[in-house]
Amino acid sequence: DTGVSQDPRHKITKRGQNVTFRCDPISEHNRLYWYRQTLGQGPEFLTYFQNEAQLEKSRLLSDRFSAERPKGSFSTLEIQRTEQGDSAMYLCASSLRQQSPLHFGNGTRLTVT
Amino acid sequence: AQTVTQSQPEMSVQEAETVTLSCTYDTSESDYYLFWYKQPPSRQMILVIRQEAYKQQNATENRFSVNFQKAAKSFSLKISDSQLGDAAMYFCAYRSGGGSEKLVFGKGMKLTVNP
Repeated sequence: DTGVSQDPRHKITKRGQNVTFRCDPISEHNRLYWYRQTLGQGPEFLTYFQNEAQLEKSRLLSDRFSAERPKGSFSTLEIQRTEQGDSAMYLCASSLRQQSPLHFGNGTRLTVT
Repeated sequence: AQTVTQSQPEMSVQEAETVTLSCTYDTSESDYYLFWYKQPPSRQMILVIRQEAYKQQNATENRFSVNFQKAAKSFSLKISDSQLGDAAMYFCAYRSGGGSEKLVFGKGMKLTVNP
């Protein structure tokens, strides 16, 4: 069990640029989640995959955000035309089955200047 | 929509003492799950303890136990024999039992453990 891996750990980008983050879940976990955490707040749910199917999306996930999990393994989260309000920690988590505990990665910290 | 409230932003405790972290939530559902997560500085979030709403018995995990008051919609975490490694942000979270996989988190509480 190597844990949930996220890449990169930090990303600094200029407003208007596109960014993409990657998450590798624990290998046997078929459920994958993305959350966003801003300073002083708890994580906010963005989206959830079961295998390659995106089954839940938050209203927070605007048209500029897109997430994929093409082969049911790793996932990517892309933010287009970044805004300063997108600055946050983006957390990925995975779980084995429904109601199983979530295992979180270390997160990707995005700073938009 | 469900909400989770952690009204104490910070607490401190002496090593070896006991501390209780409070959490209240609002929901109209009868089937749900409650969690406490711990996020140490610069480290990943980990599950401390979970409680199923249908269970009357309070969950315990070693030094961690909860006081689940369903009618009052209260879910507090008690840490006994506090250790320096318990210092972290603690988040209370809610998940519906109705099929949604979304966790709703509170704002968190910073726990300091003094030697």
